[in-house]
Amino acid sequence: KQEVTQIPAALSVPEGENLVLNCSFTDSAIYNLQWFRQDPGKGLTSLLLIQSSQREQTSGRLNASLDKSSGRSTLYIAASQPGDSATYLCAVRGNTGGFKTIFGAGTRLFVKA
Amino acid sequence: DAGVIQSPRHEVTEMGQEVTLRCKPISGHNSLFWYRQTMMRGLELLIYFNNNVPIDDSGMPEDRFSAKMPNASFSTLKIQPSEPRDSAVYFCASTEGPRGGGELFFGEGSRLTVL
Repeated sequence: KQEVTQIPAALSVPEGENLVLNCSFTDSAIYNLQWFRQDPGKGLTSLLLIQSSQREQTSGRLNASLDKSSGRSTLYIAASQPGDSATYLCAVRGNTGGFKTIFGAGTRLFVKA
Repeated sequence: DAGVIQSPRHEVTEMGQEVTLRCKPISGHNSLFWYRQTMMRGLELLIYFNNNVPIDDSGMPEDRFSAKMPNASFSTLKIQPSEPRDSAVYFCASTEGPRGGGELFFGEGSRLTVL
């Protein structure tokens, strides 16, 4: 059974810092991994999607990496801004057993101005 | 594209009442997912459909919950009878591809409060 863990659970940083959010998963038989952002009271917004054959994806100040063999992904945010404050969720889709997508509990980020 | 559309956005009901949540996936997407989000349990996958067929409903908490997808553009999640512990935000998501391997897009959610 796939389990997805995100560390840290919460993070507070001053504006301008570069930061790394971590996601680990127990079953390396994945189809893809997706990072989302969720603002309070809102839905989930897709940030980056990494297919199982890829090692990383970049979008603006965001860079996500994937290491299937070690069951890890990281989301790197460069030059953080107060507008980056949100909860970041990692979602892993398996490639067996119905292709379920399992979410981590998220990392709550607060960027101080 | 309008994105994944869910209704109602908010629902307040009394224990024992029937609740029906609705979802319209993105046109062309043939996989649809229902999730429930609570503070205690995070995001839980309830059920998912591929080409309108339920593939995995192992996350449906109990028989009070049922989901249907009568066509490619509409799905419902029904709770009958509702209980206070069903209070949560229910999300619908869709993705393209026969194996549902593409990017997952979420609706804004339906916030359910059962009194």
